[in-house]
Amino acid sequence: QSVLTQPPSASGTPGQRVTISCSGSSSNIGSNTVNWYQQLPGTAPKLLIYSNNQRPSGVPDRFSGSKSGTSASLAISGLQSEDEADYYCAAWDDSLNGHVVFGGGTKLTVL
Amino acid sequence: QLQLQESGPGLVKPSETLSLTCTVSGGSISSSSYYWGWIRQPPGKGLEWIGSIYYSGSTYYNPSLKSRVTISVDTSKNQFSLKLSSVTAADTAVYYCARHYFTIRDTWFDPWGQGTLVTVSS
Repeated sequence: QSVLTQPPSASGTPGQRVTISCSGSSSNIGSNTVNWYQQLPGTAPKLLIYSNNQRPSGVPDRFSGSKSGTSASLAISGLQSEDEADYYCAAWDDSLNGHVVFGGGTKLTVL
Repeated sequence: QLQLQESGPGLVKPSETLSLTCTVSGGSISSSSYYWGWIRQPPGKGLEWIGSIYYSGSTYYNPSLKSRVTISVDTSKNQFSLKLSSVTAADTAVYYCARHYFTIRDTWFDPWGQGTLVTVSS
């Protein structure tokens, strides 16, 4: 069971806006920044959002991140078929001398 | 542009030690503010952080794997390595290496290597 909790699945139609949640605790999301990764089928994860809401160069502004308290969200607007992928949240956790924790992942289906 | 490439045996016997190396190209492993990390993904499952190392040798490990993991760095070869001892079938996974940005409160992995599948089987 993952330390960060994500819904196992999400879906939307092209052009829609979808959000994926990530719930944690005071020792991880509540104290540290959240990042998000996109994993297309058969490929390595790719950094999508860092420092809660920052996009690396090359990531479309359709992707946005936010954080409030011990929860975070990834929003994808103007959904496209190529957005169909697995999405993972992650953060540093201050417990047990510190370690990285991931969410269990959310499989996004574009209908 | 920075690239990372994992290498090592694709098949390891139960109870033996899994050994992988990550070669960094297009940049120096001795860059400040960056650690270098290992993450794994069992088939059909999610991501699990294994541990990370700074070029000076400072390490952080996943508490659940700490007793079996050793990560080392060779700055002369621009490489870092993973050793996981006493493996079982549960250690079968795609193993990724990645650059790990790590400061107080802020951490992320970018870029990632393509990953290498390691199967634990007799």
